[in-house]
Amino acid sequence: EIVLTQSPGTLSLSPGERATLSCRASQSVSSSFLAWYQQKPGQAPRLLIFGTSNRATGIPDRFSGSGSGTDFTLTISRLEPEDFAVYYCQQYGRSPFTFGPGTKVDIK
Amino acid sequence: QVQLVESGGGVVQPGRSLRLSCTASGFTFSNYAMHWVRQAPGKGLEWVAIMSYDGSDKYYADSVKGRFTISRDNSENTLYLQMNSLGVEDTAVYYCARGWTAGTGTSCYIWGQGTLVTVSS
Repeated sequence: EIVLTQSPGTLSLSPGERATLSCRASQSVSSSFLAWYQQKPGQAPRLLIFGTSNRATGIPDRFSGSGSGTDFTLTISRLEPEDFAVYYCQQYGRSPFTFGPGTKVDIK
Repeated sequence: QVQLVESGGGVVQPGRSLRLSCTASGFTFSNYAMHWVRQAPGKGLEWVAIMSYDGSDKYYADSVKGRFTISRDNSENTLYLQMNSLGVEDTAVYYCARGWTAGTGTSCYIWGQGTLVTVSS
């Protein structure tokens, strides 16, 4: 099983700041099979990024993904008030399709 | 509009069974792989299972393998999760999610709102 580790656990930032979230895999993940999701309290998750760097439909361009091998990054260029949430990475190249434990982005 | 609606959740005693359903609308259900993902109260996401568009491929998390069975009825636009030998550790909100593609190498694109399963005596 591929274990995903996300850091930091919590990121405290102000609106307008840049957020950089890390996802590290215990084994190499094909860049075609790494996704990022956003989840707000009481809501279902929402797909942001698939295939490491492809934005899902309707996702603003302030969200970007990068990385390869075992190290992947989600960047939010300028935080909007609606971006404060929990973010999960997921690998779906090898079963079981594991999620990371999440990074909470909260308001400083 | 594209929609997934889960049903079948509820309170069940340890050791018993439950079947969840996920009804799709607004898209051609038979063209896409489908996932189940769960989230225990206050915890993170846990991927549970996936089935390809035609049911020919399916995979499970180790934690549910041998106890849970994913299936689909493309004529009814419905995905199922049969859960047997339930334990308290299976207490969670269960989400179904549609993939981007027909095959199983796909992320979870469209999500339902989830159904809560509580395993308790």
